[in-house]
Amino acid sequence: AQSVTQPDIHITVSEGASLELRCNYSYGATPYLFWYVQSPGQGLQLLLKYFSGDTLVQGIKGFEAEFKRSQSSFNLRKPSVHWSDAAEYFCAVGAPEAAGNKLTFGGGTRVLVKP
Amino acid sequence: EPEVTQTPSHQVTQMGQEVILRCVPISNHLYFYWYRQILGQKVEFLVSFYNNEISEKSEIFDDQFSVERPDGSNFTLKIRSTKLEDSAMYFCASSEPQGEADTGELFFGEGSRLTVL
Repeated sequence: AQSVTQPDIHITVSEGASLELRCNYSYGATPYLFWYVQSPGQGLQLLLKYFSGDTLVQGIKGFEAEFKRSQSSFNLRKPSVHWSDAAEYFCAVGAPEAAGNKLTFGGGTRVLVKP
Repeated sequence: EPEVTQTPSHQVTQMGQEVILRCVPISNHLYFYWYRQILGQKVEFLVSFYNNEISEKSEIFDDQFSVERPDGSNFTLKIRSTKLEDSAMYFCASSEPQGEADTGELFFGEGSRLTVL
Protein backbone atom coordinates (compact mmCIF):
# COMPACT_ATOMS: atom_id res chain seq x y z
CA ALA A 1 0.00 0.00 0.00
CA GLN A 2 1.17 3.49 -0.74
CA SER A 3 1.85 6.15 1.88
CA VAL A 4 2.79 9.82 1.88
CA THR A 5 4.73 11.87 4.40
CA GLN A 6 4.82 15.63 4.59
CA PRO A 7 7.45 16.32 7.25
CA ASP A 8 6.54 19.96 7.82
CA ILE A 9 3.24 20.63 9.55
CA HIS A 10 3.60 24.41 9.44
CA ILE A 11 5.79 26.72 7.40
CA THR A 12 5.93 30.49 7.72
CA VAL A 13 7.39 32.44 4.85
CA SER A 14 7.68 36.14 4.05
CA GLU A 15 5.84 37.49 1.06
CA GLY A 16 8.18 37.49 -1.91
CA ALA A 17 10.40 34.77 -0.50
CA SER A 18 10.75 31.33 -2.00
CA LEU A 19 8.81 28.34 -0.73
CA GLU A 20 9.56 24.65 -0.77
CA LEU A 21 7.23 22.01 0.65
CA ARG A 22 8.52 18.52 1.13
CA CYS A 23 6.75 15.33 0.20
CA ASN A 24 8.05 11.78 0.45
CA TYR A 25 6.14 8.77 -0.69
CA SER A 26 6.31 5.03 -0.34
CA TYR A 27 5.27 2.92 -3.28
CA GLY A 28 6.73 -0.08 -5.06
CA ALA A 29 6.79 1.44 -8.53
CA THR A 30 6.43 4.86 -10.07
CA PRO A 31 3.25 6.36 -8.74
CA TYR A 32 1.03 9.13 -9.89
CA LEU A 33 1.85 12.20 -7.76
CA PHE A 34 -0.24 15.24 -7.03
CA TRP A 35 -0.23 18.46 -5.08
CA TYR A 36 -3.53 19.93 -3.97
CA VAL A 37 -4.16 23.24 -2.22
CA GLN A 38 -6.96 23.93 0.21
CA SER A 39 -7.83 27.46 1.26
CA PRO A 40 -9.71 27.84 4.56
CA GLY A 41 -13.20 26.41 4.32
CA GLN A 42 -12.71 25.48 0.69
CA GLY A 43 -12.36 22.32 -1.34
CA LEU A 44 -9.27 20.78 -2.87
CA GLN A 45 -7.77 22.43 -5.92
CA LEU A 46 -5.23 20.59 -8.03
CA LEU A 47 -1.96 22.51 -8.38
CA LEU A 48 -0.06 20.02 -10.49
CA LYS A 49 0.45 16.36 -11.19
CA TYR A 50 3.09 13.93 -12.35
CA PHE A 51 2.32 10.68 -14.09
CA SER A 52 5.19 10.19 -16.57
CA GLY A 53 7.81 11.99 -18.63
CA ASP A 54 9.61 15.14 -17.56
CA THR A 55 10.30 14.99 -13.86
CA LEU A 56 9.92 18.74 -13.41
CA VAL A 57 6.27 19.65 -13.71
CA GLN A 58 4.72 23.07 -13.87
CA GLY A 59 1.43 23.86 -12.26
CA ILE A 60 -0.97 26.69 -11.73
CA LYS A 61 -0.27 29.83 -9.69
CA GLY A 62 3.47 29.67 -10.44
CA PHE A 63 4.09 26.39 -8.62
CA GLU A 64 6.36 23.61 -9.80
CA ALA A 65 7.36 20.24 -8.42
CA GLU A 66 10.16 17.83 -9.12
CA PHE A 67 9.86 14.07 -9.00
CA LYS A 68 13.03 12.44 -7.72
CA ARG A 69 12.79 8.70 -7.93
CA SER A 70 16.04 8.09 -6.05
CA GLN A 71 14.73 10.06 -3.07
CA SER A 72 11.07 9.03 -3.38
CA SER A 73 10.24 12.71 -3.23
CA PHE A 74 7.97 15.16 -4.98
CA ASN A 75 8.73 18.54 -3.46
CA LEU A 76 6.67 21.58 -4.33
CA ARG A 77 8.31 24.94 -4.97
CA LYS A 78 7.43 28.51 -5.73
CA PRO A 79 10.10 31.16 -6.34
CA SER A 80 8.16 34.10 -4.90
CA VAL A 81 5.23 33.66 -2.55
CA HIS A 82 2.18 35.91 -2.60
CA TRP A 83 -0.08 36.54 0.38
CA SER A 84 -2.83 34.61 -1.40
CA ASP A 85 -0.69 31.46 -1.23
CA ALA A 86 -1.49 31.11 2.47
CA ALA A 87 -3.34 27.80 2.59
CA GLU A 88 -2.89 24.13 3.37
CA TYR A 89 -1.07 22.01 0.84
CA PHE A 90 -1.55 18.29 0.42
CA CYS A 91 0.67 15.89 -1.43
CA ALA A 92 -1.05 12.75 -2.71
CA VAL A 93 -0.02 9.54 -4.39
CA GLY A 94 -2.00 7.27 -6.68
CA ALA A 95 -1.27 3.76 -7.86
CA PRO A 96 -1.31 3.40 -11.66
CA GLU A 97 -1.58 -0.37 -11.52
CA ALA A 98 -4.64 -0.39 -9.33
CA ALA A 99 -8.16 -0.34 -10.63
CA GLY A 100 -9.58 3.09 -10.13
CA ASN A 101 -7.59 6.08 -8.97
CA LYS A 102 -7.72 6.03 -5.21
CA LEU A 103 -5.38 8.66 -3.81
CA THR A 104 -3.55 8.55 -0.51
CA PHE A 105 -2.93 11.95 1.02
CA GLY A 106 -0.19 13.24 3.24
CA GLY A 107 -0.97 15.04 6.46
CA GLY A 108 -0.71 18.45 4.86
CA THR A 109 1.52 21.49 5.36
CA ARG A 110 -0.05 24.74 6.46
CA VAL A 111 1.64 27.75 4.90
CA LEU A 112 1.47 31.14 6.60
CA VAL A 113 2.64 34.20 4.67
CA LYS A 114 4.06 37.19 6.56
CA PRO A 115 3.73 40.64 5.03
CA GLU B 1 -15.38 23.73 -17.22
CA PRO B 2 -17.11 20.62 -15.87
CA GLU B 3 -17.05 20.26 -12.12
CA VAL B 4 -18.15 18.03 -9.30
CA THR B 5 -20.96 19.52 -7.27
CA GLN B 6 -21.99 18.61 -3.74
CA THR B 7 -25.03 19.31 -1.61
CA PRO B 8 -25.58 20.40 1.04
CA SER B 9 -22.58 22.59 1.70
CA HIS B 10 -23.22 22.34 5.43
CA GLN B 11 -25.50 20.09 7.44
CA VAL B 12 -26.08 20.02 11.17
CA THR B 13 -27.70 16.93 12.61
CA GLN B 14 -28.39 15.25 15.91
CA MET B 15 -26.48 12.16 16.94
CA GLY B 16 -28.28 9.03 15.80
CA GLN B 17 -29.95 10.67 12.82
CA GLU B 18 -29.50 9.52 9.24
CA VAL B 19 -27.70 11.82 6.83
CA ILE B 20 -27.46 11.70 3.05
CA LEU B 21 -24.79 13.69 1.27
CA ARG B 22 -25.25 14.19 -2.42
CA CYS B 23 -22.80 14.57 -5.27
CA VAL B 24 -23.08 15.08 -8.98
CA PRO B 25 -19.85 13.83 -10.58
CA ILE B 26 -18.52 15.00 -13.92
CA SER B 27 -20.78 13.49 -16.54
CA ASN B 28 -18.40 11.24 -18.49
CA HIS B 29 -16.51 10.01 -15.44
CA LEU B 30 -16.92 6.42 -14.35
CA TYR B 31 -15.09 6.25 -11.02
CA PHE B 32 -16.54 7.96 -7.96
CA TYR B 33 -15.11 8.47 -4.51
CA TRP B 34 -15.86 9.77 -1.07
CA TYR B 35 -13.17 11.19 1.16
CA ARG B 36 -13.39 12.60 4.65
CA GLN B 37 -11.43 15.29 6.44
CA ILE B 38 -11.90 15.69 10.16
CA LEU B 39 -11.12 19.25 11.20
CA GLY B 40 -7.38 19.82 11.26
CA GLN B 41 -6.53 16.36 10.01
CA LYS B 42 -5.59 14.75 6.73
CA VAL B 43 -7.91 13.85 3.90
CA GLU B 44 -8.86 10.18 4.28
CA PHE B 45 -10.18 7.78 1.68
CA LEU B 46 -13.57 6.27 2.45
CA VAL B 47 -14.77 4.44 -0.62
CA SER B 48 -14.50 4.13 -4.38
CA PHE B 49 -17.33 3.10 -6.68
CA TYR B 50 -17.29 1.78 -10.20
CA ASN B 51 -19.79 0.03 -12.41
CA ASN B 52 -22.51 0.32 -9.77
CA GLU B 53 -20.58 -1.34 -7.02
CA ILE B 54 -17.99 -0.56 -4.40
CA SER B 55 -14.51 -1.24 -5.77
CA GLU B 56 -12.61 -0.45 -2.60
CA LYS B 57 -13.37 0.79 0.89
CA SER B 58 -11.34 1.77 3.90
CA GLU B 59 -11.63 0.63 7.50
CA ILE B 60 -13.52 3.83 8.24
CA PHE B 61 -16.31 2.79 5.89
CA ASP B 62 -18.16 0.48 8.23
CA ASP B 63 -21.76 -0.76 8.19
CA GLN B 64 -23.04 2.69 9.12
CA PHE B 65 -21.97 3.99 5.71
CA SER B 66 -23.40 3.20 2.31
CA VAL B 67 -23.11 4.64 -1.17
CA GLU B 68 -25.49 4.60 -4.04
CA ARG B 69 -25.87 5.84 -7.56
CA PRO B 70 -29.63 6.11 -7.67
CA ASP B 71 -29.82 7.53 -11.18
CA GLY B 72 -27.49 8.49 -14.00
CA SER B 73 -26.16 11.61 -12.37
CA ASN B 74 -26.17 11.47 -8.57
CA PHE B 75 -23.80 9.69 -6.22
CA THR B 76 -24.79 9.64 -2.57
CA LEU B 77 -23.18 8.84 0.76
CA LYS B 78 -25.52 7.77 3.54
CA ILE B 79 -24.64 7.60 7.19
CA ARG B 80 -27.34 5.60 8.94
CA SER B 81 -26.92 6.63 12.54
CA THR B 82 -24.52 9.50 12.93
CA LYS B 83 -22.00 9.69 15.74
CA LEU B 84 -20.17 12.71 17.09
CA GLU B 85 -16.98 11.50 15.45
CA ASP B 86 -18.63 11.59 12.03
CA SER B 87 -18.34 15.38 12.14
CA ALA B 88 -16.08 16.22 9.22
CA MET B 89 -15.86 17.65 5.74
CA TYR B 90 -16.89 15.05 3.20
CA PHE B 91 -15.46 15.37 -0.29
CA CYS B 92 -16.83 13.68 -3.36
CA ALA B 93 -14.55 13.10 -6.32
CA SER B 94 -14.72 11.53 -9.75
CA SER B 95 -12.20 10.43 -12.35
CA GLU B 96 -12.13 9.51 -15.99
CA PRO B 97 -12.28 5.99 -17.38
CA GLN B 98 -9.01 4.15 -17.35
CA GLY B 99 -7.15 4.14 -20.60
CA GLU B 100 -4.95 6.51 -22.53
CA ALA B 101 -6.81 9.54 -21.27
CA ASP B 102 -6.45 8.50 -17.66
CA THR B 103 -3.84 10.45 -15.74
CA GLY B 104 -5.02 9.35 -12.35
CA GLU B 105 -6.40 12.77 -11.56
CA LEU B 106 -9.35 13.06 -9.22
CA PHE B 107 -11.67 16.01 -9.54
CA PHE B 108 -13.00 17.07 -6.16
CA GLY B 109 -16.15 18.85 -5.16
CA GLU B 110 -16.19 21.74 -2.70
CA GLY B 111 -17.16 19.45 0.14
CA SER B 112 -20.10 19.00 2.51
CA ARG B 113 -19.44 19.94 6.10
CA LEU B 114 -21.28 17.66 8.51
CA THR B 115 -21.68 18.69 12.13
CA VAL B 116 -23.10 16.09 14.51
CA LEU B 117 -24.40 17.43 17.83
